[in-house]
Amino acid sequence: KNQVEQSPQSLIILEGKNCTLQCNYTVSPFSNLRWYKQDTGRGPVSLTIMTFSENTKSNGRYTATLDADTKQSSLHITASQLSDSASYICVVSGMSGANNLFFGTGTRLTVIP
Amino acid sequence: DVKVTQSSRYLVKRTGEKVFLECVQDMDHENMFWYRQDPGLGLRLIYFSYDVKMKEKGDIPEGYSVSREKKERFSLILESASTNQTSMYLCASSLREWGAFFGQGTRLTVV
Repeated sequence: KNQVEQSPQSLIILEGKNCTLQCNYTVSPFSNLRWYKQDTGRGPVSLTIMTFSENTKSNGRYTATLDADTKQSSLHITASQLSDSASYICVVSGMSGANNLFFGTGTRLTVIP
Repeated sequence: DVKVTQSSRYLVKRTGEKVFLECVQDMDHENMFWYRQDPGLGLRLIYFSYDVKMKEKGDIPEGYSVSREKKERFSLILESASTNQTSMYLCASSLREWGAFFGQGTRLTVV
């Protein structure tokens, strides 16, 4: 069964600290994995996309990693800011069929001053 | 960059009204989706479409219908709105190799 699991469910960190969010998946065959940031009341915005051959990709203070062998991805946030407070959702695209998007339930990150 | 535009950010409708939520994408994507998002339940798929005039039910299609007359436009219809359809509605379009792009969301309140 194609599944995407994220951990932790929620996280509170101090401003300026780093944190890492995890995403494990069983989707097969795999096409790509995207990390999204969703502010409260807004639609998800893509941070990074990882394909099978990519191990690491950065977008400013966000760095995503992918291990396609173990089917694990992480999103590392460096020097967190208050504006990083949001939900972070991992979405894996499979290769088969039109309905090929599989969602994690998200990690709710709160950055406190 | 891909743009997915939903017609309204906020909407308040009365019970029993017919409600139209419109979504337009500008990247010629074949696949388009409608989700609703409720606290603690994540995103749930209502309907998706893989081509013009083609549609498939998702996980929670009851009380909804959709229309895709043109490739760039995917509409979600609530035939007779009910209070349990109060939710955040998200439209997405996707290309297999690139994953999904989301609209800004429509917060629908049915009173």
